[in-house]
Amino acid sequence: AQTVTQSQPEMSVQEAETVTLSCTYDTSENNYYLFWYKQPPSRQMILVIRQEAYKQQNATENRFSVNFQKAAKSFSLKISDSQLGDTAMYFCAFMTGSSNTGKLIFGQGTTLQVKP
Amino acid sequence: EAQVTQNPRYLITVTGKKLTVTCSQNMNHEYMSWYRQDPGLGLRQIYYSMNVEVTDKGDVPEGYKVSRKEKRNFPLILESPSPNQTSLYFCASTLSYMRRVNTGELFFGEGSRLTVL
Repeated sequence: AQTVTQSQPEMSVQEAETVTLSCTYDTSENNYYLFWYKQPPSRQMILVIRQEAYKQQNATENRFSVNFQKAAKSFSLKISDSQLGDTAMYFCAFMTGSSNTGKLIFGQGTTLQVKP
Repeated sequence: EAQVTQNPRYLITVTGKKLTVTCSQNMNHEYMSWYRQDPGLGLRQIYYSMNVEVTDKGDVPEGYKVSRKEKRNFPLILESPSPNQTSLYFCASTLSYMRRVNTGELFFGEGSRLTVL
């Protein structure tokens, strides 16, 4: 069974600094997708970034980038130039490429506080 | 505006009183799903539907029912709610998982906070 682990329940960072959120996963599949979702206090789940396992290049979306280490089964999220609006809970999620359930497997979440 | 709409957003109820959380999407998505979010556990899939009249259990289906009579709607039914169903519930949808256009991205509703006393 696939699992996703976020070992940092809470983190904080000063505004304008860089922070990295960790995520590890376990799977025997070779084709899969990894995601980071952001959940601000409004509770809305917002897709931050997405990575296909077959792509070696790390995904980047503006200030957000990932460090995808397939062999180590690690998928960390780096937020550069942190802003107050980045304060949220962040979820790492996994889905197999062969999924016929459409199921996302989520980690436990990391609460990020950006301090002014 | 493309969106997934859930109602109610907040609900406090008592044990055993049947309730329904509605979910509607306006994106003509074939696939819809329900998740529950609990502290320390992340989100877990309750039920999903590949298309109209096609539903199946996720990881935590006990105590829940769903129906998919129309493409746009996917209500979650708690026939006899219990306190362990106190949670934050999310409905989500995407175009399809049957075609090879699976990008994996789910579009989420705004969540429904349910408290069962």
